[in-house]
Amino acid sequence: AQKVTQTQTSISVMEKTTVTMDCVYETQDSSYFLFWYKQTASGEIVFLIRQDSYKKENATVGHYSLNFQKPKSSIGLIITATQIEDSAVYFCAMREGQGYQNFYFGKGTSLTVIP
Amino acid sequence: GGIITQTPKFLIGQEGQKLTLKCQQNFNHDTMYWYRQDSGKGLRLIYYSITENDLQKGDLSEGYDASREKKSSFSLTVTSAQKNEMAVFLCASILWGAFAEQFFGPGTRLTVL
Repeated sequence: AQKVTQTQTSISVMEKTTVTMDCVYETQDSSYFLFWYKQTASGEIVFLIRQDSYKKENATVGHYSLNFQKPKSSIGLIITATQIEDSAVYFCAMREGQGYQNFYFGKGTSLTVIP
Repeated sequence: GGIITQTPKFLIGQEGQKLTLKCQQNFNHDTMYWYRQDSGKGLRLIYYSITENDLQKGDLSEGYDASREKKSSFSLTVTSAQKNEMAVFLCASILWGAFAEQFFGPGTRLTVL
């Protein structure tokens, strides 16, 4: 079974609107860490934002924010005022436990921002 | 700040050939990773190294060897390239013990003819 699931394969939105990308995860650990990454057309993967499981407040960085719903094991990425350059593939990831190998990635959601 | 570099950027090989991919980081990070990314799939862990001279197998280690020559570099060898294989190999690093995000290199795109 997949530990991290992104059900949206691709999304298209108009420029300057808000988009939400979904991600659900599966873990038995009481402490874990959730991340969102952006992969551009060139293949570069850039870290965007993280949420620590013990924090109740949703993380926000620039025009990225998270919707962390712990009871639902859900961590949505919200991008406000989307720009053309936000077009990319977005990966959700989870790190659990103490093991260094315990990073799990979703399959990604492709976002297209239409001018 | 720092950077992760991967060489080569593109690698074309023949079936059965032994191919080596290199990764260098100047973050002074302890732990480094090799992932494989196939089209439409997430990242799959091949090897990781907690610190210099350490090697740990990931879920996809069969068909690969790795080498952590020094703290700043981590190499991956495809021991016998498979025909029609096409994937991107990504190197990443994190600080030891830190529950922090991974930093990624730009990737090496492999094509096997």
